[in-house]
Amino acid sequence: KAGVTQTPRYLIKTRGQQVTLSCSPISGHRSVSWYQQTPGQGLQFLFEYFSETQRNKGNFPGRFSGRQFSNSRSEMNVSTLELGDSALYLCASSFTGDGNTIYFGEGSWLTVV
Amino acid sequence: EDQVTQSPEALRLQEGESSSLNCSYTVSGLRGLFWYRQDPGKGPEFLFTLYSAGEEKEKERLKATLTKKESFLHITAPKPEDSATYLCAVQAQETSGSRLTFGEGTQLTVNP
Repeated sequence: KAGVTQTPRYLIKTRGQQVTLSCSPISGHRSVSWYQQTPGQGLQFLFEYFSETQRNKGNFPGRFSGRQFSNSRSEMNVSTLELGDSALYLCASSFTGDGNTIYFGEGSWLTVV
Repeated sequence: EDQVTQSPEALRLQEGESSSLNCSYTVSGLRGLFWYRQDPGKGPEFLFTLYSAGEEKEKERLKATLTKKESFLHITAPKPEDSATYLCAVQAQETSGSRLTFGEGTQLTVNP
């Protein structure tokens, strides 16, 4: 059974640019969440999508956005990149999210220079 | 606001030396408490979900327990391959969906 797949795994961007990260959830899972992990802040919730609708949103600026497609695949976008956006971005999937097991992908390492 | 505090921040054990990791939480209503293991440069790997006080779950050398205020991850006779960061997270009843609030983690090192 394939796990959560994230692409790309590593990328380097310049300050001011934008970036799009992709996530393919486990087959049959309809809930996709995104997290940012940094050494200083730990794992912080960005947002969750369920059936193509944003269901939850964390405390991040509007530069961080996402969407979900009809096949449950999800993308997140960060515009006007700042040095502080350098982090590991993790995608997680579950059947519906409400108490179900939540599985994480390997993450996308973003470095902003 | 949901809060999760893990202790200790770091723990160094000798192979075979059993110990426990603590996760204290504050949440308006607990839907589930999750334990994950994370190796350097990788995503968190699911270990357990606990739903109600008194519940216990085991997997190999790991055993997770839950009370109304905290959870423990007991590691029995650890091996070097158990070295990793162990993360605890809570999911609140009042929030629909899969939103998790994580602790900072406990970095475990098991020396041979």
